[in-house]
Amino acid sequence: QKEVEQNSGPLSVPEGAIASLNCTYSDRGSQSFFWYRQYSGKSPELIMSIYSNGDKEDGRFTAQLNKASQYVSLLIRDSQPSDSATYLCAVNPPGNEKLTFGTGTRLTIIP
Amino acid sequence: GAVVSQHPSWVICKSGTSVKIECRSLDFQATTMFWYRQFPKQSLMLMATSNEGSKATYEQGVEKDKFLINHASLTLSTLTVTSAHPEDSSFYICSAIRTIPSTDTQYFGPGTRLTVL
Repeated sequence: QKEVEQNSGPLSVPEGAIASLNCTYSDRGSQSFFWYRQYSGKSPELIMSIYSNGDKEDGRFTAQLNKASQYVSLLIRDSQPSDSATYLCAVNPPGNEKLTFGTGTRLTIIP
Repeated sequence: GAVVSQHPSWVICKSGTSVKIECRSLDFQATTMFWYRQFPKQSLMLMATSNEGSKATYEQGVEKDKFLINHASLTLSTLTVTSAHPEDSSFYICSAIRTIPSTDTQYFGPGTRLTVL
């Protein structure tokens, strides 16, 4: 089992709709969770970090964490074509500064 | 914010030469920086963890004598690709963790695209 799993996509969502990106992780002791956005040919850009169970909202983005289910998700409301990118889920295993990345989900927003 | 820069943004070199890539944290101190490599359409691959004032920790399969890392200050880490070959052509990305206030969030530099002819 991979440590951090994401559906590779591509995920196609109409403009204006909600895009839902999902991620599961295997290390139950993980405490820190991150979503990064990576445009083609560019480096990852931090979107959200989440540490506690529940929802965390920042503008059009909402991260959701459920530690019991070992599940973290990212919702993008009012999707825009500029949201088209690969979204990387990353997890800090306990006691480790290194990030474990998922393979990323490629999101395409259809105008 | 937390800004990380890399220099150069792209470099083309001949096979057998060495290339140095710099990673700087511009507005914060970073005890720990990371170096990644990414091939086209593939995931980020962690190469090594760079700690200020000590030797880097390399991931399994990464040749430490080929990829020399120096983290001489709290704002600068360098990666030198020695005797580069075409198979070393890749996108090299660094990230940094803020020391003060302490955080576990990694902020990425813009990356350096290396092409070895």
